Parts: sequence; C-alpha cells; structure tokens
Amino acid sequence: AQSVSQHNHHVILSEAASLELGCNYSYGGTVNLFWYVQYPGQHLQLLLKYFSGDPLVKGIKGFEAEFIKSKFSFNLRKPSVQWSDTAEYFCAVRMNSGYSTLTFGKGTMLLVSP
Amino acid sequence: DTGVSQDPRHKITKRGQNVTFRCDPISEHNRLYWYRQTLGQGPEFLTYFQNEAQLEKSRLLSDRFSAERPKGSFSTLEIQRTEQGDSAMYLCASSSRGSGKDEKLFFGSGTQLSVL
Repeated sequence: AQSVSQHNHHVILSEAASLELGCNYSYGGTVNLFWYVQYPGQHLQLLLKYFSGDPLVKGIKGFEAEFIKSKFSFNLRKPSVQWSDTAEYFCAVRMNSGYSTLTFGKGTMLLVSP
Repeated sequence: DTGVSQDPRHKITKRGQNVTFRCDPISEHNRLYWYRQTLGQGPEFLTYFQNEAQLEKSRLLSDRFSAERPKGSFSTLEIQRTEQGDSAMYLCASSSRGSGKDEKLFFGSGTQLSVL
C-alpha cells in the first residue's frame, strides 16, 4: 500500500518569506499527486494536482509543486507567503492503476506571522 | 451553496450510543467518499460509492461502521455502539470522474464526533 510522508508538522514563517513543504510517497508505480489546503474553519480544498506531463505544476494563489520521480517527491513551494496562507496543507497520492483511493499525509500546519 | 454538505456539524454522544451522519454531495456527482480524520493525522479513507453501489468497504474500521447511499444521492454513515476512540472528524467528499483519470474530490466541512 502507498504511504505519504510530510516532513514538517509545523512551519512558522514571516510574511514575504519563501515556502517549501516536503512530501515523499512510497509506491513504485505511476501515481497521481495532490496538495490540499484547509484554511481555519473551512473544508479541504484542492490546491494543485499532478497527473502527467510537465512535472512542475502551478496551482491557485501562487503555489507550485514539482514532481521528482527519482526522489518520489512532490514538494510544495511559494516564493513569498502571505498572512492569508496560514492553513494546514496535506499532500496526497493515488495510484494510477484501476481504482485507487487518495492516501493523505499527516499534514503541515503553516503559520504566517504578519 | 452548491458544495458538499454534511449534517450535523458537531455531534456529542455517550459511549455505547448509535450515531448517524448525513452527506449530501454535489448534485451531479456520482462518486461519494467517506473519510475519517483524527487530530494530527490526515484524512483516512473509509468507504466509497459509485451511484448507489458501495464499491469499497474493506477499510471501514470495524463492523460497527456502516454506510448507505440508497438512491445514489445522499449518503449516511452509521456508527453503532460508539467508543471513545471513534471521536474524530468524519469527512465526506464527492466527485464526478472526468475523462481518463482526471478525478477531483470536493470535500464537505465534516461532522465532528465526540464520544464521552
């Protein structure tokens, strides 16, 4: 079964700092990769996804993620964070074969101080 | 609001009682998922429906958990004889599978269960 590892459980940044959240997965086959975000008091929302093609994917609100197959990684980045980016971020993976469900990481809580 | 809605938002119950949660997916979505999220963890898959058919239920945590989607629209998740370890956020998600494997899940706000 696949698993997802997020490196940091909590990250604290000042506004305008750059962000990189790590995500590694364990599965040897073809995968679909996702980052979801949960703002305080809101439901999970899709931030970006990778299915195939260009390994650098861009999502909403200036976020991007790079799929590096050799490293089994899908790190999330943003050049300059804002206070409104304070949220919990979840990496998720789905095997791209037949039917498969999403497997989530434990999440990273990002706190951006103004 | 045309998103996924869940009811109730919060449920407090005593150990041993039965509880039932409801999920109304986005109307044109044929797939419906139930997840559970505990503190400090990501969502954990429980079960999944395509229309009214429950296609995967092996991940339901015990035989005390059951789910239905009788008419392929709303779904219910029931927990019988609740235990304190059942305390968690129960999330529902729905999707309409696009071409190929371009499936995007839309999540509800969840039902927070507290078992005393």
